[in-house]
Amino acid sequence: QSALTQPRSVSGSPGQSVTISCTGTSSDVGGSNYISWYQHHPGKAPKMMIYDVSKRPSGVPDRFSGSKSGNTASLTISGLQAEDEADYHCCSYAGRYYMVFGGGTKLTVL
Amino acid sequence: EVQLLESGGGLVQPGGSLRLSCAASGFTFSTYVMTWGRQAPGKGLEWVSAILAGGGGTYYADSVKGRFTISRDDSKNTVYLQMNSLRAEDTAVYYCARGSSENTYVWFDPWGQGTLVTVSS
Repeated sequence: QSALTQPRSVSGSPGQSVTISCTGTSSDVGGSNYISWYQHHPGKAPKMMIYDVSKRPSGVPDRFSGSKSGNTASLTISGLQAEDEADYHCCSYAGRYYMVFGGGTKLTVL
Repeated sequence: EVQLLESGGGLVQPGGSLRLSCAASGFTFSTYVMTWGRQAPGKGLEWVSAILAGGGGTYYADSVKGRFTISRDDSKNTVYLQMNSLRAEDTAVYYCARGSSENTYVWFDPWGQGTLVTVSS
């Protein structure tokens, strides 16, 4: 199983929207409804922001949304805030009890 | 509050062994899958291993299969990762995370803060 493909970095100004893509294959992203996204501030515990493609855990702002089309999943953050600056990792079920992550995307709030 | 606290990381020589522990609190530990993941320097997160509730099944990433062993002690609310035949490429921060139910781990929530393992001579 190969890692999912994410852009190394994205950036946006406060109040703007950004979208982070996560591309896999029909064996993982394209064939799974189990896509999740994690926010990771360096030195802290990763935090789940989206699960099952588009569901938000309790306490996650509705500025965060997830979607999927074909072999690509996306995380959109609207109304960017300074505290959103972090690394974001996508994850997909890849069959046979295997989970695969993306390489991570660094979000910079300008 | 659900909490996970990893321990046991450190510096080890190539070919050596290390056992990581993850102490859980704030939820019924015995009814959840528990997992380990890691992040090597400059890399993304990587799923490493999972153990079903009741120890009913264990699963491993290809990169660690045959070298790492996951186990759990429900009486101590603790999950372990025994790492043998360590290689330089195993250098990473290792995280413990709770799986999605007693027999699935299609997402991970919450995570611990991690413990650093460095494999170097």
